[in-house]
Amino acid sequence: DSGVTQTPKHLITATGQRVTLRCSPRSGDLSVYWYQQSLDQGLQFLIQYYNGEERAKGNILERFSAQQFPDLHSELNLSSLELGDSALYFCASSVEGWDEQFFGPGTRLTVL
Amino acid sequence: AQTVTQSQPEMSVQEAETVTLSCTYDTSESNYYLFWYKQPPSRQMILVIRQEAYKQQNATENRFSVNFQKAAKSFSLKISDSQLGDTAMYFCAWLASPNDMRFGAGTRLTVKP
Repeated sequence: DSGVTQTPKHLITATGQRVTLRCSPRSGDLSVYWYQQSLDQGLQFLIQYYNGEERAKGNILERFSAQQFPDLHSELNLSSLELGDSALYFCASSVEGWDEQFFGPGTRLTVL
Repeated sequence: AQTVTQSQPEMSVQEAETVTLSCTYDTSESNYYLFWYKQPPSRQMILVIRQEAYKQQNATENRFSVNFQKAAKSFSLKISDSQLGDTAMYFCAWLASPNDMRFGAGTRLTVKP
């Protein structure tokens, strides 16, 4: 158990819908990262937050957005969902950013 | 572009034997970190081992060790006494700045009984 929690574990929805994925980092970690992993693919970095502020952006679509709250939990919002958005979404956290990342169990999103 | 390359998409090894997974990276930075992550069928990402670039000594964690060749920009993972539970996807990752962790495409390792 990495100490990073993600909810829900599974999410099934339809095209055009909007969903929110939630992440709670390890106690003491200030940085939160979001990654997307499609079937049998590598990890695609989406976005990073540090202590409530956006710090880095990767290949995140405009339909996707994220935020980190004062209690340091983070949410990833995915809207106007398409079939291709079906993937495993990971949240990871680290103390700052200059160290290893610890991953949550992931949320499996299925768009039908 | 600063990238991480894992040239072996798939590998297999007999139980109890040793296997080495390759990783190369391309950077002009002098200070960085390297990691190996394991992703078993459960899809959980698990940190296996880390290496700081300024350390010459290769990192070791039980049956897992690395061969870090800074000049060659190579960072291979050696698994000794392979066990069935080592069957997983292995990702090499490189961290050159606090905001930029790059992952390789992964090597799928199968340990055969």
